[in-house]
Amino acid sequence: KAGVTQTPRYLIKTRGQQVTLSCSPISGHRSVSWYQQTPGQGLQFLFEYFSETQRNKGNFPGRFSGRQFSNSRSEMNVSTLELGDSALYLCASSLGQPWGNTEAFFGQGTRLTVV
Amino acid sequence: EDQVTQSPEALRLQEGESSSLNCSYTVSGLRGLFWYRQDPGKGPEFLFTLYSAGEEKEKERLKATLTKKESFLHITAPKPEDSATYLCAVQAEINSGGSNYKLTFGKGTLLTVNP
Repeated sequence: KAGVTQTPRYLIKTRGQQVTLSCSPISGHRSVSWYQQTPGQGLQFLFEYFSETQRNKGNFPGRFSGRQFSNSRSEMNVSTLELGDSALYLCASSLGQPWGNTEAFFGQGTRLTVV
Repeated sequence: EDQVTQSPEALRLQEGESSSLNCSYTVSGLRGLFWYRQDPGKGPEFLFTLYSAGEEKEKERLKATLTKKESFLHITAPKPEDSATYLCAVQAEINSGGSNYKLTFGKGTLLTVNP
């Protein structure tokens, strides 16, 4: 069973640019969550999508946005990049239903460096 | 606001020297407590989910336990390949709309096992 796939694995961008990251969840999983991981703050929740709808949002500025497609694949976009956006961006997939199994499985992440 | 505190921040063990990692949490209605293992440059790897106080789960040399305020990850006779950062995360109760699919993470415990 294929795991969570994130592309690209590495990105280098310049301040002020925008970037789009992609995540393909495990087959059958309908919930996709995004997290930012930095050495100082650890893993912080960005947002969660289920059936193409954003269900939850963390405390990040509006420069961070996302969407989910009908096949459950998700993209995350960061506009007007700042140096502080340099981080490992992780995508997690789960079944997404309020009952039963709620385990989230992570991809390998996209390492974004802003210069 | 949900909070997760992990201790110690770093732990160095000799091969075969058993120990425990601690995760204390504050959450308004616990839906699940999750343990992950993360190797450098990779995404977190799912280990366990605990849903209620008194629950225990085991996998090879790892055993996770849960009380109403904290969880422990016991490592028995560790090997060098157990070296990693161990992350604890909590998920609050899911409301009837099926939302609140977000994980609040602790900062992790960096475990080093020397041969």
